[in-house]
Amino acid sequence: EADIYQTPRYLVIGTGKKITLECSQTMGHDKMYWYQQDPGMELHLIHYSYGVNSTEKGDLSSESTVSRIRTEHFPLTLESARPSHTSQYLCASFADRGNFYGYTFGSGTRLTVV
Amino acid sequence: KQEVTQIPAALSVPEGENLVLNCSFTDSAIYNLQWFRQDPGKGLTSLLLIQSSQREQTSGRLNASLDKSSGRSTLYIAASQPGDSATYLCAVEKGNNRKLIWGLGTSLAVNP
Repeated sequence: EADIYQTPRYLVIGTGKKITLECSQTMGHDKMYWYQQDPGMELHLIHYSYGVNSTEKGDLSSESTVSRIRTEHFPLTLESARPSHTSQYLCASFADRGNFYGYTFGSGTRLTVV
Repeated sequence: KQEVTQIPAALSVPEGENLVLNCSFTDSAIYNLQWFRQDPGKGLTSLLLIQSSQREQTSGRLNASLDKSSGRSTLYIAASQPGDSATYLCAVEKGNNRKLIWGLGTSLAVNP
């Protein structure tokens, strides 16, 4: 069972709407990431965070914003959705502690903007 | 710029076959290489992680090798099963920010 949760799983919204994609993890991981994945394409890093109050833009330019007020919560917000934002958004966390080293991914949010 | 290439892009095999998925990367200065599995419409599951100092890792029927000098990794799946059908993604971790650079994946179908 996943320890990182993304909601909603699927979302269809109209152009111009503001939306927030939720990502929460219960593992206490400091590092969290948002990836965007289009069908048949590689994952692109759009935002990452190394801890509370730390956020950075990734390699792919994105009109979204993120916040990290609490360790367990890393929401992604689109102020005004457009059809070009239609994609799958994957959240991940990373740990390097004890016996565990690696990434844990959520199940993703598939966003369709009409 | 680091690039990750996966060959083949798609593979269809009968159940029970042993198979090899290939991953190549252009810059050998990596921290590690990871193999993930992605089922349709779902997130990713980490399968194996090979540190840059290691040559291979094994988990059950899966074995991943790493040849950093030649920029290659292979994922070997023994005695394939229909439940192995998924897309297999290779990613290398590099850079000061330890970012993952992803391949496009190999879409595997194991037919009963």
